Amino acid sequence: QKEVEQDPGPLSVPEGAIVSLNCTYSNSAFQYFMWYRQYSRKGPELLMYTYSSGNKEDGRFTAQVDKSSKYISLFIRDSQPSDSATYLCAMSGTGRRALTFGSGTRLQVQP
Amino acid sequence: EAQVTQNPRYLITVTGKKLTVTCSQNMNHEYMSWYRQDPGLGLRQIYYSMNVEVTDKGDVPEGYKVSRKEKRNFPLILESPSPNQTSLYFCASSTSGRTDTQYFGPGTRLTVL
Repeated sequence: QKEVEQDPGPLSVPEGAIVSLNCTYSNSAFQYFMWYRQYSRKGPELLMYTYSSGNKEDGRFTAQVDKSSKYISLFIRDSQPSDSATYLCAMSGTGRRALTFGSGTRLQVQP
Repeated sequence: EAQVTQNPRYLITVTGKKLTVTCSQNMNHEYMSWYRQDPGLGLRQIYYSMNVEVTDKGDVPEGYKVSRKEKRNFPLILESPSPNQTSLYFCASSTSGRTDTQYFGPGTRLTVL
């Protein structure tokens, strides 16, 4: 079993929809949770960062962490075609020496 | 412009022919790391470096070498490449206290025949 599980998609939604992306994990030592966005033929770019449990909002993006359930989510409101990309969750423990990534979910927002 | 650069961006080689992929960052970051990305497996860390002359293995170090002689550069060396090292490689960097917020390079697509 992988340490971090992420549905690979692809997830196809119409423009303006609310998108929910999720990851589950098994390592209770993870404290830092991130979402990266990766466009085709590009490197991942950091989108959201959350420490421990709770919510964090940045514009149309909201990250949620539920450590009791070992479950993290990224919500995208009013999705745009420019949001079409692969979204990778990542997490690390208190030592923060390495990131463990999910396999990524490919999102397509149809105009 | 703050960035991580990698060269080459694309490389096709043959089994056993030594190669080096360069990585350079201009943000004065202490921490640098190499990942490979394979379909269905996500990004897996190969090696990382906390600072000059300090390197350590990640999750999948077999078949790779690294060196960190200067703060800005972190080359990845494949002494004897094999087909199972065909992959997309990313270099990343961050400040030492924030390895959780890494900045990634554009990637190097390597094919080993």
